[in-house]
Amino acid sequence: EAGVAQSPRYKIIEKRQSVAFWCNPISGHATLYWYQQILGQGPKLLIQFQNNGVVDDSQLPKDRFSAERLKGVDSTLKIQPAKLEDSAVYLCASSLPGEYNEQFFGPGTRLTVL
Amino acid sequence: SQKIEQNSEALNIQEGKTATLTCNYTNYSPAYLQWYRQDPGRGPVFLLLIRENEKEKRKERLKVTFDTTLKQSLFHITASQPADSATYLCARLGSSGSARQLTFGSGTQLTVLP
Repeated sequence: EAGVAQSPRYKIIEKRQSVAFWCNPISGHATLYWYQQILGQGPKLLIQFQNNGVVDDSQLPKDRFSAERLKGVDSTLKIQPAKLEDSAVYLCASSLPGEYNEQFFGPGTRLTVL
Repeated sequence: SQKIEQNSEALNIQEGKTATLTCNYTNYSPAYLQWYRQDPGRGPVFLLLIRENEKEKRKERLKVTFDTTLKQSLFHITASQPADSATYLCARLGSSGSARQLTFGSGTQLTVLP
């Protein structure tokens, strides 16, 4: 079974530039998550999708971050404009509906903002 | 707010010994706790889930306990091996509206010395 795919793996940009990340979840997983993981910290949930609808985006900085999952499969996360404090690893995860919510994570995209 | 706290100090142990990692939570008792392993440059990988009404859960060399009185979960790796070296994350499974979500601790970095 293929895992969660993410691209690119690494990205370096200057502040105020834009960047986009792509995620393809495990086939059949209706729930998709984007997390931000700053060095030395645990992942922090940014946004959660159920199929192509947003379930929770309460921790997404909506003035600069946006995400979509148009056909209920793959998803993109965009930052525009980037700030220095956005330097982090952006993780995508997916899961099946269910009580225990075991999540499967992709390898992440490491973003460096200069 | 609900918090998950893990010992931020790295843990070094000798091969063959038992590693014990601690996860403390505040404000209320989570119904479920999950433990994940994260290797450098990779996304977290699910290891174990323990429910509030379970005292202990085992999987091969792994054991998790849940003490609602102490508001604490302990994660044990018996007969530790250098390959067990990684960061271990504790996560509370909670709900935000209809969404099931994970709140992660900052993780504990474990190094097993040969």
